[in-house]
Amino acid sequence: KQEVTQIPAALSVPEGENLVLNCSFTDSAIYNLQWFRQDPGKGLTSLLLIQSSQREQTSGRLNASLDKSSGRSTLYIAASQPGDSATYLCAVEGRQGNLIFGKGTKLSVKP
Amino acid sequence: NAGVTQTPKFQVLKTGQSMTLQCAQDMNHNSMYWYRQDPGMGLRLIYYSASEGTTDKGEVPNGYNVSRLNKREFSLRLESAAPSQTSVYFCASTRGATADTQYFGPGTRLTVL
Repeated sequence: KQEVTQIPAALSVPEGENLVLNCSFTDSAIYNLQWFRQDPGKGLTSLLLIQSSQREQTSGRLNASLDKSSGRSTLYIAASQPGDSATYLCAVEGRQGNLIFGKGTKLSVKP
Repeated sequence: NAGVTQTPKFQVLKTGQSMTLQCAQDMNHNSMYWYRQDPGMGLRLIYYSASEGTTDKGEVPNGYNVSRLNKREFSLRLESAAPSQTSVYFCASTRGATADTQYFGPGTRLTVL
């Protein structure tokens, strides 16, 4: 059974720092991996999707990498801002197209 | 485009009551999903519909039923609500069955007393 783990569970950094969020998964037979952002009381917003054949994806200050063989993905956030404060969720796509989620990393960026 | 919409936003039920959560998408997506999100458990799949006319169980289907009414709409029904079903429910949709971005609705916060 696929399991997704995110470390750390919570992270607090000062504004301007570069930071890395980690995601690991137990079964390397994935179709893709997605990173989402969730603000308190809100739904999920897709940030980046990495296909199983890709190594990384970039969007603005965000860069996500995927290493299928080791079952790892990282989300790199450059020059963090208070507006980046949210919970970041990693999810891998299973055979039915459903997403299997980690429990998230709660990020707080202090001004 | 409204994307994925869900109604209601909030609901309080008593144990044993029934209700239907509604979900609709206007992106002409084929696949739709229902997840629940609980503290410390993350999001878990309840049911999904890979295409119009098909539905399948996910990880936690007990106590729920679904209907894919048409391509746009996918409803989740609780026949006899239990306190263990207190959760936030999210509907999602995607263009194809695999390898595509999933779009989520804003969620329904359900409390069962």
